[in-house]
Amino acid sequence: AQTVTQSQPEMSVQEAETVTLSCTYDTSESDYYLFWYKQPPSRQMILVIRQEAYKQQNATENRFSVNFQKAAKSFSLKISDSQLGDAAMYFCALHTGANSKLTFGKGITLSVRP
Amino acid sequence: NAGVMQNPRHLVRRRGQEARLRCSPMKGHSHVYWYRQLPEEGLKFMVYLQKENIIDESGMPKERFSAEFPKEGPSILRIQQVVRGDSAAYFCASSPPTVPGRPQHFGDGTRLSIL
Repeated sequence: AQTVTQSQPEMSVQEAETVTLSCTYDTSESDYYLFWYKQPPSRQMILVIRQEAYKQQNATENRFSVNFQKAAKSFSLKISDSQLGDAAMYFCALHTGANSKLTFGKGITLSVRP
Repeated sequence: NAGVMQNPRHLVRRRGQEARLRCSPMKGHSHVYWYRQLPEEGLKFMVYLQKENIIDESGMPKERFSAEFPKEGPSILRIQQVVRGDSAAYFCASSPPTVPGRPQHFGDGTRLSIL
């Protein structure tokens, strides 16, 4: 069974500052993929970033980057130069090769202070 | 719009009625997933379908819930005899076949409210 844990329910960041959202996971699979999804108040689910477990290099997408620590089963999301539009719920998700479903964490609500 | 299309966006039903939620996957995607999101919770997997086949329904409640993805037309999530606890946002996602770790693309969801 797979589990994803996001232990921080809420975080706040000042506009233009950097914030890191934490996520830990557990799986017995060796082949898996990790994702961060953003859910703004409109409730859309927007893919932010994706990481393959077999890649040591951390994924980066513009202002978004991850710190993937495979041995620790940790997958944190760093948002640089935070913008007001970054305010949303952020979900960490795990996808393994053994089955195709995504396993989500409970999410973290990020607020951005102007 | 080439994204995943879900309708209706909002659906209101009285207890005991049936709810039908529709999902058209992205063009070229033959894999469809349904997830349920309760208030202040993450998404929970319900069912995974390919055309005319249910691949994994381990997250579906045993009673009242069913899903299909026919050869032609959208995928349908059907909830019979709805109860208040069925109130939630239901998301559909799709992905292309044969690509490991393929990201799932989500629709905007259907918000189901039970009176």
